[in-house]
This record gives sequence, C-alpha cells and structure tokens, in this order.
Amino acid sequence: GAGVSQSPRYKVAKRGQDVALRCDPISGHVSLFWYQQALGQGPEFLTYFQNEAQLDKSGLPSDRFFAERPEGSVSTLKIQRTQQEDSAVYLCASSLLTGELFFGEGSRLTVL
Amino acid sequence: ELKVEQNPLFLSMQEGKNYTIYCNYSTTSDRLYWYRQDPGKSLESLFVLLSNGAVKQEGRLMASLDTKARLSTLHITAAVHDLSATYFCAVDSSLISNFGNEKLTFGTGTRLTIIP
Repeated sequence: GAGVSQSPRYKVAKRGQDVALRCDPISGHVSLFWYQQALGQGPEFLTYFQNEAQLDKSGLPSDRFFAERPEGSVSTLKIQRTQQEDSAVYLCASSLLTGELFFGEGSRLTVL
Repeated sequence: ELKVEQNPLFLSMQEGKNYTIYCNYSTTSDRLYWYRQDPGKSLESLFVLLSNGAVKQEGRLMASLDTKARLSTLHITAAVHDLSATYFCAVDSSLISNFGNEKLTFGTGTRLTIIP
C-alpha cells in the first residue's frame, strides 16, 4: 500500500479482555515503531523493530504488552488483560533508514 | 530523562499574522522533528532537522534548530486557516548515530487555531 496501514481503527474492549492491533508498514521499510498517544498528549515510544528483531522495548508499560514482527513486515501489538489506563491511540510508524518516520492513522482503543 | 517542552500550548491567531512556536529539550541531540496532526488523524511529517543551524522551509512554515541552545523554532508566516492543527516537535534520544533507530520523545503539542 501507499502508506502505513493499521487495523482495527477502533476497538472497544471490556476490562480484562485481550486485544491485538495490527500494523502493515510501507513495503520495504526496515524499521517499525509503536507509539501510544493518550488523549491531549504527545505520542510516547513503546518499542521498535529492525526487520524481525525487536531492538528496544523499553517503553512498554508492563508485561501485559507484547509486540512481534515475525517475518520482518507486519507487526502485531498485543495487550493482555486490558485495563482502563490502556485506553489510548496506538500509532505505528515505519522508516527506510532515512531519518524520516511515516505514521499510520492509529488504532483507538477504549477499555470499558 | 529527556524532556521536551513546547510553548505555547495553545495559540489562536488571525489570518495573515506571523508567529513562532518554540521547542526546548533537556539533553543533547542532533535530530529534531516537526509533525502536524489534524483531529482524529495521524502525524504528518513536516521537517527533519539533522544538524546545528539547520533551517528548512516549506510554504508558510520554516523550522530551525540550535543544538547548543537545545532549541528549535517553527515559524509561521502570514497564517491561513488551513494551517489550523496541532503541531508537535520530537527529539531523537537514541544514542545510535545510524538512522532506523529513532526513539522519539514528543512535546505535548501546540494547538494552533487560525481565525479568519
């Protein structure tokens, strides 16, 4: 596709449910990043991959958060046993080692 | 811990006026990014500034970087309504010089409203 694609765009989960958010990066982009954006705030770094290797996961807020990119393309961010504080927009970005990141439109998660 | 502060947080200005948004950050970095975000939309890359003294311009927007002062500015010239959006600066806190390892710390954003 022409840009970074994320799905679902909107997800409502009951507290305690598991959710999975998908990111399709721009074809050929080596690096893939996940950010969390709370309402009215700037995005916060969660984790990033180069190809299939997860090189930094220091921003993941707890062990309930898990990300993978098994074949170096599509990535999934999984949140187990969701809590209300997990409600946010989850943004995925990819880059081609040029210093410029391209962001998707995000997945808005609401935990009730 | 890297901190990125933007000011003002809210800015309402009339069409045709000039204004500047400031971005200060707390630790050494040579990479600074400016993004635009419309409500409910993703982040649109505006500028990537990669060295001290870098200046980039696109249309009515011009961004500059002073790494010694740890300051970047986004200057708006003769504002028009379609520039209304939230503007974020972000600083790369990665200690790795190669691209592809960007770990961006964002400011809280400046919500800009241009009044006709």
